[in-house]
Amino acid sequence: QQPVQSPQAVILREGEDAVINCSSSKALYSVHWYRQKHGEAPVFLMILLKGGEQKGHEKISASFNEKKQQSSLYLTASQLSYSGTYFCGTVGGYQKVTFGTGTKLQVIP
Amino acid sequence: GAGVSQSPSNKVTEKGKDVELRCDPISGHTALYWYRQSLGQGLEFLIYFQGNSAPDKSGLPSDRFSAERTGGSVSTLTIQRTQQEDSAVYLCASTRGYEQYFGPGTRLTVT
Repeated sequence: QQPVQSPQAVILREGEDAVINCSSSKALYSVHWYRQKHGEAPVFLMILLKGGEQKGHEKISASFNEKKQQSSLYLTASQLSYSGTYFCGTVGGYQKVTFGTGTKLQVIP
Repeated sequence: GAGVSQSPSNKVTEKGKDVELRCDPISGHTALYWYRQSLGQGLEFLIYFQGNSAPDKSGLPSDRFSAERTGGSVSTLTIQRTQQEDSAVYLCASTRGYEQYFGPGTRLTVT
């Protein structure tokens, strides 16, 4: 049961904000967020743990609603370097990370 | 410090042949994951190791796929009798805590 992300794709102008959502049908222990640029491996951005603790990128924030099994990633004042595909990864047990469907973000000048 | 390394970086093989993909995790990382990513698609979980044991093999697509990890370090993913649908980038990641560090991947092409 792969987490569902929305939107599937978004185009922003530099300086604009965006929100990417991740929704799971399973109970979650934590949610990870990764960004993957074309032709490169995914890079860790942030992890959100039960209880509200967050660890990760200073310029990116996220929320984790345990009851709704949802997470949102907030990108503010977007930069060209933010372009890429964003994946959420949900952890339900045994530290197995199940990655979401992905959101393709393009930032244009 | 050294990151996760994978070899080979590219592998072209004929349908029906066996292939071995190798992953060297970051030293000290106890958990190791294998994922598959088809062109333009997301990350598909294959298998997870904690130390040398694999508590979750649920993602292996068929019995043609197997993986092992020795000495709590290097892992090998083996695909027997490769099929064209096996063509993808195979990514390995290791972790000691929460953050997964990914290797550069092996691009497998089955002709």
